Amino acid sequence: GAGVSQSPRYKVAKRGQDVALRCDPISGHVSLFWYQQALGQGPEFLTYFQNEAQLDKSGLPSDRFFAERPEGSVSTLKIQRTQQEDSAVYLCASSRGQGPTGELFFGEGSRLTVL
Amino acid sequence: DQQVKQNSPSLSVQEGRISILNCDYTNSMFDYFLWYKKYPAEGPTFLISISSIKDKNEDGRFTVFLNKSAKHLSLHIVPSQPGDSAVYFCAASPTGNQFYFGTGTSLTVIP
Repeated sequence: GAGVSQSPRYKVAKRGQDVALRCDPISGHVSLFWYQQALGQGPEFLTYFQNEAQLDKSGLPSDRFFAERPEGSVSTLKIQRTQQEDSAVYLCASSRGQGPTGELFFGEGSRLTVL
Repeated sequence: DQQVKQNSPSLSVQEGRISILNCDYTNSMFDYFLWYKKYPAEGPTFLISISSIKDKNEDGRFTVFLNKSAKHLSLHIVPSQPGDSAVYFCAASPTGNQFYFGTGTSLTVIP
């Protein structure tokens, strides 16, 4: 597709469930980023991939969060044993170049609600 | 610790007038700055950027000013249009590293 595509758009999970969020970046984009945006806040960095390599995961809040991009295109963000504080919009972004020195193209986000 | 701050959560401006959105940062290693615009239920879209070697960048109705000594940047929109009503985020990055976003300013342009 022409833009960054994320699925599902909305996810409701019971506390303790595992969830998986998918991101299809723009074709050919080398860099891929995951951000978490809580209500009323700006996006907060979670992790960054350059092709299939996860170069920075310093923003992942706990070891319950795991991200992968095995073939350097589609990425999955997995959250295990979800908790209420995980409720947020998870944004995926991609960029053409290596590293965040250019424009980031964002998807529409996946809104996760943990009950 | 918020490294990028947008202290005005909201701003209202009459159509045709200038909108000025402000952003402050604390990390002197930041050398690349961007503004993003976000409509409800959509992801942020890129608006304009500036690197630390410049103090001004202009693109049509949008101009970004950077004051490195004050660690301050601002976005000017002139003339403001109703379609500009959105949440505006500023973001900063030390080259080759992650972006840090502010909390956003909700702009309302009144027809």
